[in-house]
Amino acid sequence: DQQVKQNSPSLSVQEGRISILNCDYTNSMFDYFLWYKKYPAEGPTFLISISSIKDKNEDGRFTVFLNKSAKHLSLHIVPSQPGDSAVYFCAASAKWGGGSNYKLTFGKGTLLTVNP
Amino acid sequence: DADVTQTPRNRITKTGKRIMLECSQTKGHDRMYWYRQDPGLGLRLIYYSFDVKDINKGEISDGYSVSRQAQAKFSLSLESAIPNQTALYFCATSDNQGIRYQETQYFGPGTRLLVL
Repeated sequence: DQQVKQNSPSLSVQEGRISILNCDYTNSMFDYFLWYKKYPAEGPTFLISISSIKDKNEDGRFTVFLNKSAKHLSLHIVPSQPGDSAVYFCAASAKWGGGSNYKLTFGKGTLLTVNP
Repeated sequence: DADVTQTPRNRITKTGKRIMLECSQTKGHDRMYWYRQDPGLGLRLIYYSFDVKDINKGEISDGYSVSRQAQAKFSLSLESAIPNQTALYFCATSDNQGIRYQETQYFGPGTRLLVL
């Protein structure tokens, strides 16, 4: 049961253009969403997040949009740079295990390649 | 210096051997986590610890055990390694910021484990 889905395993974009990475979720209890970026041989690094009470959060070239009714979020990178080439993971937070603990659920990731 | 370190970075072992993966952090965070990443499956939670005396199983804890030796150290053990435990293992930390669901996790560089 995959609760966080990144349906595009890969995306290729030209330098300077917009990259749009998509993520869908099924659990309506998710209330906090994060994007992580991962380079080869490194751990995931936090990129940007959004609370479920917002529909947009922006940080420099990175903007995350949340559409709660559609259970969909997206990460926009404008303009895209070759150094943005990495795997991007979408993650969502919800209570887990019947208690008060929160757990992150990760998507499978999307490999973004930005071509010079 | 990295805030979250993992040792070893790479390990090859044989079926049936006991091995330990170690994680140390200098971020001062109370919460620590162990994940594994398999190709095409994203990150899955093995164990987590909210403080030295609080250790909890994640979604795939069978075949693993952990030890929280101090606030800064969290070790993962494979009691009797098997080939399907071949994966990339990540340690992560987070800080209790009061709004519990809005935690950002910070990851180590990973340990690549091969079980023959």
